[in-house]
Amino acid sequence: QKEVEQDPGPLSVPEGAIVSLNCTYSNSAFQYFMWYRQYSRKGPELLMYTYSSGNKEDGRFTAQVDKSSKYISLFIRDSQPSDSATYLCAMTYSGTYKYIFGTGTRLKVLA
Amino acid sequence: EAQVTQNPRYLITVTGKKLTVTCSQNMNHEYMSWYRQDPGLGLRQIYYSMNVEVTDKGDVPEGYKVSRKEKRNFPLILESPSPNQTSLYFCASSLSPGQLNTEAFFGQGTRLTVV
Repeated sequence: QKEVEQDPGPLSVPEGAIVSLNCTYSNSAFQYFMWYRQYSRKGPELLMYTYSSGNKEDGRFTAQVDKSSKYISLFIRDSQPSDSATYLCAMTYSGTYKYIFGTGTRLKVLA
Repeated sequence: EAQVTQNPRYLITVTGKKLTVTCSQNMNHEYMSWYRQDPGLGLRQIYYSMNVEVTDKGDVPEGYKVSRKEKRNFPLILESPSPNQTSLYFCASSLSPGQLNTEAFFGQGTRLTVV
């Protein structure tokens, strides 16, 4: 079993839809949770960074962490064609410098 | 402009021929790391460095070497490349991992093909 599981998609939605992207994980030690966006032929860029449980909002993006269920989510409101990319979740914990990434979910927002 | 620069962007080489992929950052970051990205496997950490002369293995270090003689540079060395090292490689840097609001920067990637 992988430490971090992520549905690879592709996920196709119409412009303006609310998008929900998810990751599950097995290691309860994870404390720091990140979402990256990766456009085709580019390096990943950090979107959201949260610590422990709870929600964090930044513009159209909301990150949620549910440590009891070992489940994290990224919501994108009013999705735009420019949001079409692969979204990667990543996790780590204190005392380590190792990051574990999900395989990424490919999102297509249709105009 | 803050950036992580990898070279080369594309490389085709033959089995067994030593190669080095360079990575340089201009942000005075302490932490740097190398990843490989493969379809269905996502990003996997190869090696990371917490500071000059301090490096450690990630999840898939076999067949790779690194060095950190200067803060800005973190080259990835393949002493004897094999076809299973054909992949897309990314270098990343940040001030310090495991801290809230730490921005992580990735390079543009190096697509390596070993024949």
